[in-house]
Amino acid sequence: AQKVTQAQTEISVVEKEDVTLDCVYETRDTTYYLFWYKQPPSGELVFLIRRNSFDEQNEISGRYSWNFQKSTSSFNFTITASQVVDSAVYFCALSEPGGSQGNLIFGKGTKLSVKP
Amino acid sequence: SQTIHQWPATLVQPVGSPLSLECTVEGTSNPNLYWYRQAAGRGLQLLFYSVGIGQISSEVPQNLSASRPQDRQFILSSKKLLLSDSGFYLCAWSFSGSSPAQYFGPGTRLLVL
Repeated sequence: AQKVTQAQTEISVVEKEDVTLDCVYETRDTTYYLFWYKQPPSGELVFLIRRNSFDEQNEISGRYSWNFQKSTSSFNFTITASQVVDSAVYFCALSEPGGSQGNLIFGKGTKLSVKP
Repeated sequence: SQTIHQWPATLVQPVGSPLSLECTVEGTSNPNLYWYRQAAGRGLQLLFYSVGIGQISSEVPQNLSASRPQDRQFILSSKKLLLSDSGFYLCAWSFSGSSPAQYFGPGTRLLVL
């Protein structure tokens, strides 16, 4: 069955610390996509990244980086030198089988609090 | 560029009253459209999705319905609200195709009293 697990319910760090948000997924598909979204206190979900199952290269975007490892079915997200503005709930998501409708399966989210 | 609008931003309704939430997308044609509900500020539950005008798929049986009267308009409705309908409702759109990213609107906070 398709499933996304974000085992960390809440994380609290002090500004400038690095923090890694874990995401483990289960799928029977050989082709699939993984996503990360950020939900700040305002509520709107902000798209961060989409990766396909054939591209295992790590990606870096500014202070954000993503580590995709098919061998462990993980797609972890690291924020370097965290800032207060990074405080939000972060969701990992997996594409449903087939994918034609674009439906996503979301994890339950990790609430990150960055304290000054 | 594409933008997505939702209204109202907040709504307080009595139990048993009707509901209509609207979502519109600008800057694209024939998008996939989605309605989600987020209860207790956490998990996202997909309620409905649509791949075209008049085409609605429901993910969970419930008190709500959805309609897509125009290409870029998606409406969430209820004839009689229940207390359990309270939550944060998010509309999203995506391009059609293989597992595209979804882009979310600002959401509507609904409180049923």
